[in-house]
Amino acid sequence: DAGVIQSPRHEVTEMGQEVTLRCKPISGHNSLFWYRQTMMRGLELLIYFNNNVPIDDSGMPEDRFSAKMPNASFSTLKIQPSEPRDSAVYFCASSRQGTTGELFFGEGSRLTVL
Amino acid sequence: SQKIEQNSEALNIQEGKTATLTCNYTNYSPAYLQWYRQDPGRGPVFLLLIRENEKEKRKERLKVTFDTTLKQSLFHITASQPADSATYLCALRTGGNQFYFGTGTSLTVIP
Repeated sequence: DAGVIQSPRHEVTEMGQEVTLRCKPISGHNSLFWYRQTMMRGLELLIYFNNNVPIDDSGMPEDRFSAKMPNASFSTLKIQPSEPRDSAVYFCASSRQGTTGELFFGEGSRLTVL
Repeated sequence: SQKIEQNSEALNIQEGKTATLTCNYTNYSPAYLQWYRQDPGRGPVFLLLIRENEKEKRKERLKVTFDTTLKQSLFHITASQPADSATYLCALRTGGNQFYFGTGTSLTVIP
C-alpha cells in the first residue's frame, strides 16, 4: 500500500490567498483526521471524518478553515483567506475504525503564509 | 481544561542506557494510550498502544506502562541506540475516536 498521500508537500503563499491541501487515505480506512503541527502548540486535531461524514470539527480554528471528504479516497482542507498565523505543517492521517485504531500519517504539507 | 504533558522538551542519554519518557494527562478518560515516533520532516509513526485495563506492554526494546489512577504513562527504550534519536509523542484516544497528542519529547542518544 502507498500509505497516506498528501499534496502539496510545500506551499508558500501570500496573505489573503486561498490554500487547498489534499489527502488520499489508505484504501480500506474509514476514518480520516486533519492535524496542524506547530512548535508552540504541537499536534492539534482540526477535524475528523468517519465514513466520509464530519464527526467533530471543534478544532477548526475559524470560519476561514473548511474541510470536505467527497468520497472515501479523497479529502481537502481549505483556508480562505490565509493569514501568516496559519503557517504550520498540516498532517492528514487515516485509520480503520473498529480496530485498535492506530493512526497512519502522511508526510505533511508545510504551509508558509507571507 | 484538557491537557497532555510530556516531560521536558529534550532528553539526552548515553548509548546503551534506558530512556524513560513521561506522559501525564488531565481531564481525559482515554480508551487507549498510544506512542508515536516522529523524525524531522516526517509524519508520526505508530509504535505501541496500551489499553486502559492494561498495566504494561512490551515490544522488543520498548516498554509502556499505563497508570489510570495517576493519569500517567511511561515509555521506556532499553539499550538505547543513536538510531533511536527522534521526537516521541504520546496520544490519547477517547471513546469517541478522537486522538489527542502531547507536545512530544525530543530524545538524543549520544554515542
